Amino acid sequence: AQSVAQPEDQVNVAEGNPLTVKCTYSVSGNPYLFWYVQYPNRGLQFLLKYITGDNLVKGSYGFEAEFNKSQTSFHLKKPSALVSDSALYFCAVRDRRNTNAGKSTFGDGTTLTVKP
Amino acid sequence: EAQVTQNPRYLITVTGKKLTVTCSQNMNHEYMSWYRQDPGLGLRQIYYSMNVEVTDKGDVPEGYKVSRKEKRNFPLILESPSPNQTSLYFCASSSSLTSGAYEQYFGPGTRLTVT
Repeated sequence: AQSVAQPEDQVNVAEGNPLTVKCTYSVSGNPYLFWYVQYPNRGLQFLLKYITGDNLVKGSYGFEAEFNKSQTSFHLKKPSALVSDSALYFCAVRDRRNTNAGKSTFGDGTTLTVKP
Repeated sequence: EAQVTQNPRYLITVTGKKLTVTCSQNMNHEYMSWYRQDPGLGLRQIYYSMNVEVTDKGDVPEGYKVSRKEKRNFPLILESPSPNQTSLYFCASSSSLTSGAYEQYFGPGTRLTVT
């Protein structure tokens, strides 16, 4: 079975400071990894994904994530946080093997609050 | 505009009254999926469909049914809703997952309350 852990329910940062939202995963095969963001009363929006290749992935709105295979982590980062980044963030994993291709597992979510 | 639509957006119903939540996408996506979102539990996958007439269970399929007769539509059926199915439901779609890792596009959500 595959799983995703987001160890922090809440992350608080000051505007202009760097932010990190943590994610670790467990999957039998090699993973596809994703980050999504959910603003209040909205559906989820895709931010970025790791497929293969460079361990540092760049995505929308200045976000990036670092894939670390040995630590089975995929932490979301941004060098300088904005108040408008305040939202609920989800990490998700999918197994590359075709037998499990349809199953998608999400973490419990991390609420990011950026204060002015 | 490329989008996933869900109807209704809000629904209050009573225990045991059958209901259907519709989901439609206009992106010619092969893959579609249903999730429920509950506080502290994140998103949990209910059912997914890799293509027309191909559906499979996710992590929490009990009490739900789905069908995929057309590529664009993937309705979620609750034949006898119970209060523990009160939740926020999301439909999502993406390109073929067997050919690569494609992100999912989510609908706006359906808030269901079962009394």
